[in-house]
Amino acid sequence: GQNIDQPTEMTATEGAIVQINCTYQTSGFNGLFWYQQHAGEAPTFLSYNVLDGLEEKGRFSSFLSRSKGYSYLLLKELQMKDSASYLCAVRSTGGGNKLTFGTGTQLKVEL
Amino acid sequence: DAGVTQSPTHLIKTRGQHVTLRCSPISGHKSVSWYQQVLGQGPQFIFQYYEKEERGRGNFPDRFSARQFPNYSSELNVNALLLGDSALYLCASSLGRTGGTDTQYFGPGTRLTVL
Repeated sequence: GQNIDQPTEMTATEGAIVQINCTYQTSGFNGLFWYQQHAGEAPTFLSYNVLDGLEEKGRFSSFLSRSKGYSYLLLKELQMKDSASYLCAVRSTGGGNKLTFGTGTQLKVEL
Repeated sequence: DAGVTQSPTHLIKTRGQHVTLRCSPISGHKSVSWYQQVLGQGPQFIFQYYEKEERGRGNFPDRFSARQFPNYSSELNVNALLLGDSALYLCASSLGRTGGTDTQYFGPGTRLTVL
């Protein structure tokens, strides 16, 4: 089976940097995705990693270490609108395009 | 371009009834996946369809079924509704390519309440 762990809640200050960690256990790793979900809305795609290393996209970066089963999402220059749930999801080989999601990390950005 | 659309937005049913949820994927996308999201949890995979064929099924009872039409739209059916079926049902579309990113893009969801 698959197991994905991420912190339940985090709080950070506007303008700061926050790192949201995700650890996973899976057989046949085939990619890791990060999604942002505001309350009552659908998840929106943020980033994708399949090889080790850092992927940067504006204020958001995502890192992957396959040997450690570890990823993080880095958010820079935090804005109030970044307050949302951040979902880590893993895709495995042989499962089509099935994504297995963690429970999500609720990020609260404060003044 | 229009994103993924779902209907209805909200739905209230009683125990034992059945429900049909509908999804239209992004133009050019051939794969549709369905997820159930209970409050406070991440989405749980229910089905994936590609070119009208079931490509994957999650750990859900046979009361849940789905199909995909020639225009790539999809329906999710749930029979004999239980209180525990109350959730946000999300549809996600993707190109359906094996290998590569094949990112899934989510629709706004259908909020189902079972009383």
